[in-house]
Amino acid sequence: SQKIEQNSEALNIQEGKTATLTCNYTNYSPAYLQWYRQDPGRGPVFLLLIRENEKEKRKERLKVTFDTTLKQSLFHITASQPADSATYLCALDGASGNTGKLIFGQGTTLQVKP
Amino acid sequence: DTGVSQNPRHKITKRGQNVTFRCDPISEHNRLYWYRQTLGQGPEFLTYFQNEAQLEKSRLLSDRFSAERPKGSFSTLEIQRTEQGDSAMYLCASSRTYFGTRATGELFFGEGSRLTVL
Repeated sequence: SQKIEQNSEALNIQEGKTATLTCNYTNYSPAYLQWYRQDPGRGPVFLLLIRENEKEKRKERLKVTFDTTLKQSLFHITASQPADSATYLCALDGASGNTGKLIFGQGTTLQVKP
Repeated sequence: DTGVSQNPRHKITKRGQNVTFRCDPISEHNRLYWYRQTLGQGPEFLTYFQNEAQLEKSRLLSDRFSAERPKGSFSTLEIQRTEQGDSAMYLCASSRTYFGTRATGELFFGEGSRLTVL
């Protein structure tokens, strides 16, 4: 069956370090993969989209890689700050035909300590 | 443009009652999605609309759930005869398409409607 897995354990890091979050999937051939940030009690907020023909994408302190052979995406936050503390969700397009429907992982909670 | 708006933000109801949630998407977005999220989990897809047409419903959406988007603008999600297992955050999202049908990818979420069934 199709599955998206993110580290369920919270990630605790020190301010200034690089946070690396992992998203693995099975039985999918996604056209793209996305990362969202979610704060407690709020809706997810889009961060980055990476397409199947792209290896890496950057936006300010964020970097996403996408390895379709390993079926894995890595999400990096460099020079992390306490304000980066949140849950980060990866999501894949859930079907062909441009439905825009996303299937989400369970999310990984990041805690950046000052 | 104030983003995706959802009402009410919180709803507490007794088991067996009906509840309705409303979603106002970003005005130029023709795609609208409903998701459900429980604690510690990612959002789960429920259904989506392109304009007023409901194009897909998840198997998670039992017969007690119905969604409408009558004029291709706002949408409602009704849950009849609520059960305690319906307690969750109900998220609405919208997106644009280009060339009429191609999804741009990213979804714009509202703040959600949290349902508690006692």
